[in-house]
Order: sequence, then C-alpha cells, then structure tokens
Amino acid sequence: EAGVAQSPRYKIIEKRQSVAFWCNPISGHATLYWYQQILGQGPKLLIQFQNNGVVDDSQLPKDRFSAERLKGVDSTLKIQPAKLEDSAVYLCASSFGSGSRRSTDTQYFGPGTRLTVL
Amino acid sequence: GDSVTQMEGPVTLSEEAFLTINCTYTATGYPSLFWYVQYPGEGLQLLLKATKADDKGSNKGFEATYRKETTSFHLEKGSVQVSDSAVYFCALSDRGSSNTGKLIFGQGTTLQVKP
Repeated sequence: EAGVAQSPRYKIIEKRQSVAFWCNPISGHATLYWYQQILGQGPKLLIQFQNNGVVDDSQLPKDRFSAERLKGVDSTLKIQPAKLEDSAVYLCASSFGSGSRRSTDTQYFGPGTRLTVL
Repeated sequence: GDSVTQMEGPVTLSEEAFLTINCTYTATGYPSLFWYVQYPGEGLQLLLKATKADDKGSNKGFEATYRKETTSFHLEKGSVQVSDSAVYFCALSDRGSSNTGKLIFGQGTTLQVKP
C-alpha cells in the first residue's frame, strides 16, 4: 500500500516570497492533516480536513497561510508571504475516518517538506 | 488545553541497556495515547498506541502502559540497539466531546545508542 506522498522534499526561499506544498494521502483516507514541526519541537496541527471540508483551522495563521483539498483527495498548503519563523518541516498525515469515540484512527505521516526561509 | 510533556533529551545509552522515556499528559477528555518515532531523514512512524486506561501498547520490543491515575504513558524497552537511535514523540488524541482526532505532541526525546 502506498504511503502519504509529499512534494517537494526541500525548499529554500527568501522572506516575503510565496511557496506551496503538495500532499497526496493514502487512498481511501477521508481525513487529512497538515502539521508544522519547528526544529526541536513536536509537530503542531495547522489544519484538518474531513473529505474536502475544514474541521479545524484554529492554529492556522490565516493572514499568510491557506490550504485547500479539492475533491477530497490531494491537498495543497500555501504560504504567502513567508516569514523567517516559517522555517520548519511541514508534515502531511492522513487517517481513514473522523476519529469517533469508537475509532482509534491511526494517522500516517508523509516524509515532510523542509522549508528554509532566508 | 490538552498537553503532553516528555523528559528532556538527549538520552544516550549503550547497546543492550534498559530504556525509559517518561511521558505525562493533561487532558479534559478520554484520550488515546501514542508513541511515534522519527528515524533520521524519515517521517513519523507510529510505534505503539493505547486507547484506554491500563491498556498496554507494544511493538518491536517497546512497551508503554496507559496509567490514568498518574496520567502517564512511559516508553520502555529492555535492551536497546544502535538501530533504535531516533527521536521519540509522545502524543495524545482527545476522543471527548470536541474530538476532531488531532494529535497533540510532546517536544520529542532524542535517543542515541552507542555500540
């Protein structure tokens, strides 16, 4: 079974530029997550999709970050304009369902995109 | 809000030594608890999980028991190998009324095993 795919793996940009990341979840997984992992910290959720609807975007800096999940499959995360503090690894994860009380949905993570903002 | 606290790293052990990485949590609901591992240059992989009090998760010789009374989920392994060198993350997923399934992670603990 193919895992979560992400691209690019690495990206270097200058501050105030824009950048986009792509994620393809595991086939059949309804829920998709974007996490930000700053060096030396644990991942932090940015946004969660259930199919193509947003479930939680409370931690997404909406003045500069945006994300979409068209047709409930692939997703893109965009930063415009980037700041130095956006340097991090951006992780995409997917899970089968919605995480109901009876569910112990496991999240499967992609390899991440390492962003460096100069 | 919900949170996870892990012991500070790095942890440096000799091969075949006993490993414990402490993890405690704060949650208002009834969380599931997880350990994820991140090997150098790779993405996060689920190591083990437990979904209710007194459950024991285990995988690849690692174990962790969900202790509700001490709000802990410590990771243990009886005999570590050089190949276990990685960063270990403790995480919770709240399954309470506001459940969305999102994971809340600790800061990670780096384990280095020397031959």
